[in-house]
Amino acid sequence: AQRVTQPEKLLSVFKGAPVELKCNYSYSGSPELFWYVQYSRQRLQLLLRHISRESIKGFTADLNKGETSFHLKKPFAQEEDSAMYYCALSGQASGTYKYIFGTGTRLKVLA
Amino acid sequence: GAGVSQSPSNKVTEKGKDVELRCDPISGHTALYWYRQSLGQGLEFLIYFQGNSAPDKSGLPSDRFSAERTGGSVSTLTIQRTQQEDSAVYLCASSPPGLAGTNTGELFFGEGSRLTVL
Repeated sequence: AQRVTQPEKLLSVFKGAPVELKCNYSYSGSPELFWYVQYSRQRLQLLLRHISRESIKGFTADLNKGETSFHLKKPFAQEEDSAMYYCALSGQASGTYKYIFGTGTRLKVLA
Repeated sequence: GAGVSQSPSNKVTEKGKDVELRCDPISGHTALYWYRQSLGQGLEFLIYFQGNSAPDKSGLPSDRFSAERTGGSVSTLTIQRTQQEDSAVYLCASSPPGLAGTNTGELFFGEGSRLTVL
C-alpha cells in the first residue's frame, strides 16, 4: 500500500538551529517524492521535489531508498520558515499520478 | 486571477442536505485533484481527473460522494445527504501537462472550501 508517514505533528526549534522534518514512505515501485509547504493564510505550494535535487529557501531533501525516507533539512532555521509542511509521494514513474500526502508537520521557529 | 479558484469558500449546511463544491483549475492544466483536509488527518486523496476522465476514484469515502469534470476544465464535487463527519476543508489542485502525456509533478492548490455540517 502507498503510504507517507510524518511522525511529528509539531516541531519547535530556535532561530538559527538546524531543523529536520522526517518523512518515511511505503511504495512498491519507483516513487517520486515532494515537499509541500503551507504558510499562514496562504495556499499549499510546492517547496521541492527529489528529482530536481535543488535547494529551495535553504531546504534540501535526499531520497534514501534503503531507508525509504525523504527527510527535509535546513542547517539554520529562520522565523519565516514557520509553516505546515507536507511530504507527498507520487507514482508517476509507473504511470500513476495520484499524490499521497502525509499528515503534515507544523514547524515553529522561535525567536 | 491565474490561480485555482474554488467556491464557495465557506459552506454551512444541515445534516442530510446535498452540497456542491466547485473548482476552476488553471487554464491549460489537464490534471485536477480533490483532497479533503481534516484536523490531524493531513490531506486525504479523494479523486483525480485526467481531462474529463477519472482514472482513480479510490479515495471517495462512500457512494454519497461523486465528482465530475466537464470540458476538461471546471470540476464539481457533490456530497449527498451530508453527515457531520463530512465537515472538513475540501481542496482542489490542478497540474499542467508534461512531456509525452505525463504530468509535471507540481500541484497548484486552491484556497479550499470549508464545509461545516451541523
